[in-house]
Amino acid sequence: AQRVTQPEKLLSVFKGAPVELKCNYSYSGSPELFWYVQYSRQRLQLLLRHISRESIKGFTADLNKGETSFHLKKPFAQEEDSAMYYCALIEAGNMLTFGGGTRLMVKP
Amino acid sequence: DAGVIQSPRHEVTEMGQEVTLRCKPISGHNSLFWYRQTMMRGLELLIYFNNNVPIDDSGMPEDRFSAKMPNASFSTLKIQPSEPRDSAVYFCASSLATRNTIYFGEGSWLTVV
Repeated sequence: AQRVTQPEKLLSVFKGAPVELKCNYSYSGSPELFWYVQYSRQRLQLLLRHISRESIKGFTADLNKGETSFHLKKPFAQEEDSAMYYCALIEAGNMLTFGGGTRLMVKP
Repeated sequence: DAGVIQSPRHEVTEMGQEVTLRCKPISGHNSLFWYRQTMMRGLELLIYFNNNVPIDDSGMPEDRFSAKMPNASFSTLKIQPSEPRDSAVYFCASSLATRNTIYFGEGSWLTVV
């Protein structure tokens, strides 16, 4: 069963526009959710985790248990934000399960 | 720390050949993961070790794939024999104990022709 769903494979916006990358999860326990970013041909890097409630590179994400969502948002997209973004959920033990990823393209 | 180190970074091999991918986790980390990334299937967890012991290998595609972790600082993922459909980026990742941040290596780009 799909644990993490990212409905959009590609999201294209203009520079300065708001961005929202959607993530929905399915988990019966207390979820721990992450966003990872992968810039072109580089390793995956942790962007943020919900328990930290922090803002990294202008991105924020709020866990909504009622809607089982963890959408990633940024008010003003920059060209350097263009990358693959993966939502992930830690399951039993320490297994990180990823969504299918969303490619964000920020056009000038 | 140099982070998770993987080798080789790139490999091109012929169908039927054996492929061995190597990983050195971050020192002190006791969990190690192998992931495969393809355009079609995204990121898939292949196998997960905790304290050098395989915990979950349900993601290993078939018997042609095997993984070992002989000690806390080294792991291998072997494909024998390799097939063109194995072409992918293979990521190794490591973390401290349960529910800690997982750190990824730069990946091994495998092409089987």
